Order: sequence, then C-alpha cells, then structure tokens
Amino acid sequence: AQTVTQSQPEMSVQEAETVTLSCTYDTSESDYYLFWYKQPPSRQMILVIRQEAYKQQNATENRFSVNFQKAAKSFSLKISDSQLGDAAMYFCAYRSEEVYTGANSKLTFGKGITLSVRP
Amino acid sequence: DSGVTQTPKHLITATGQRVTLRCSPRSGDLSVYWYQQSLDQGLQFLIQYYNGEERAKGNILERFSAQQFPDLHSELNLSSLELGDSALYFCASSVSLVSSYEQYFGPGTRLTVT
Repeated sequence: AQTVTQSQPEMSVQEAETVTLSCTYDTSESDYYLFWYKQPPSRQMILVIRQEAYKQQNATENRFSVNFQKAAKSFSLKISDSQLGDAAMYFCAYRSEEVYTGANSKLTFGKGITLSVRP
Repeated sequence: DSGVTQTPKHLITATGQRVTLRCSPRSGDLSVYWYQQSLDQGLQFLIQYYNGEERAKGNILERFSAQQFPDLHSELNLSSLELGDSALYFCASSVSLVSSYEQYFGPGTRLTVT
C-alpha cells in the first residue's frame, strides 16, 4: 500500500517570502500522480498543482512549483511571493495510475501541514 | 465552485442514529468518491462508485454504506452513529475511472454526533 508522509505539522512564512513544504511517499509503482491540495478555513479542498511521475519536468502553476525527486520519493511544494491568502492547510496526495480499471484511482493523503503567513 | 454539491452542509445528531449524506457530481462526471476527514484519521478514502456500480472500497465501516443512483447522484448512509463518526465528509467526482482525470471536491458535510 502507498503511504504519504508530511512530517512538518506547521510552518510559518513572512508575506512576500518563499516557503517550501515537504512531502515524501512510499510506493512500489512506477506510474502515478502526485498532488498538492489546499484547504483554507472554509474547508473546501482546492487542487493547487499536480505532477505526473513519468514527467521529468517539475510542474509549475504561477507562484506554486514542485520539486519532484522520483528516486528519493520526495515531492515538495514551493510557494513564492507568499500572500495572506495562502494561509491554509496543505495536503500532499498520491494516486496510482490504473488505466481503465480505476480500481486504485483513490487519493491517498498525508496528514497535512498548516501554513501561516505573517503580514 | 467545483460544480460538486453536497447536502446538508451541517448535520448534528445523536449517538445511535442514522443519517444520509447526499452528493451531486459535476455534470457529466460518472465517478464519485467519498472521503472522511477527522482529527484522528486525517483524510481517508471510503468508497468509490462508477456509473452506479461500486468500484473500490477503502476504510469504510460496516455501519456505513453508499450507493449511486441512475441520475448519478450518490448517498452515503451512516448508521448506529458513534461519537467517533464526527467528521467532515467529502464527495469528489471525476469524469472517468482513469487516474489521469481530476477529482473535484464538494464543499463537504460536517457531521457532529453528540
């Protein structure tokens, strides 16, 4: 079974600075997807960024980028130019690549990290 | 707004009772996933339906059951409720079984068991 570990329960960053959130995972699969989800106080789950394991290039979405190290099974999220609205809980998630069967298309989440942004 | 709707938003009930949580997926989405978020267990997958059929089960208790109807909405039934069942229950939908398609989350139903 796959596991996702987020070892830092809380982090803090100064507004306009850069912060990196860490995530490691364990799997024996070679094809899979990794995600970062944001959960603000409203509790809505918002997809921030996704990475396909077969892609060597790290995904980027505006101020959000990832550092995907497949061999190390590491998937960190970098938030640049942090804004007050970035304050939320962030979850790292894993999903198997099961083409057509979908039996393992569930998301497996880490415990999450609470990010606070200081003005 | 993800396009996934869940009702009710909040539910307060007593131990031993039974409740039904409802989810309407995005238009065109055939696959529905249920997740539970609690302080103890974090976010965990409960069950998945695709076009009316159960496709995968996770850590779902025997007291819990779900189904997906012909109009593709889904219901999660929780019975003999215990204090530990208090949690935020999310529904997510996806257009397909294939993992490359995104799962879009609803706003969740917060269940409080007293």
